[in-house]
Amino acid sequence: SQQGEEDPQALSIQEGENATMNCSYKTSINNLQWYRQNSGRGLVHLILIRSNEREKHSGRLRVTLDTSKKSSSLLITASRAADTASYFCATDARSGYSTLTFGKGTMLLVSP
Amino acid sequence: EAQVTQNPRYLITVTGKKLTVTCSQNMNHEYMSWYRQDPGLGLRQIYYSMNVEVTDKGDVPEGYKVSRKEKRNFPLILESPSPNQTSLYFCASSLYRGKTQYFGPGTRLLVL
Repeated sequence: SQQGEEDPQALSIQEGENATMNCSYKTSINNLQWYRQNSGRGLVHLILIRSNEREKHSGRLRVTLDTSKKSSSLLITASRAADTASYFCATDARSGYSTLTFGKGTMLLVSP
Repeated sequence: EAQVTQNPRYLITVTGKKLTVTCSQNMNHEYMSWYRQDPGLGLRQIYYSMNVEVTDKGDVPEGYKVSRKEKRNFPLILESPSPNQTSLYFCASSLYRGKTQYFGPGTRLLVL
């Protein structure tokens, strides 16, 4: 079963603008992770936020987590054309079988 | 270099002809997993392994087998492939369940 759902499905912006992607999930989690995938390639881990954390930064990335709303957001500031990729959230559920469950992703296009 | 390798990268086969996709990691990770990625469906987990000789079904295990005889290797076996198994397959590993996953480059499979 897929727990994370990203929103929007696709996002098109200009270089220099900020990009915000959201992820909603259904059950209690241990952590939530964001991954990036360039077309047809393997996913690359971006950032992990634990259930007891509310915000985390890594370079131009800012992730927030609201466990009461079961949602997370990924903000990419000052986007570059090289940020063009699909972004996935993945949740490590607190209960149930041991698996990291991925959403369907947000496709981000950053135009020069 | 720490990495997850998969072979082959591309494979065209015919219905019913058994095939194996190999996956190997050099990071001494305990957790390994197989995913398939299809348009509009995101990543879905096929099988995972918590450690040597410990494997379990993911969301879409039908038609697949796995084994974990050694810590570093986690092959995916399709005993009788069918066209609905045409997909992009990813192997991933992590130190333990729920931790950051490292993905292989993917295997694109076409079953005729």
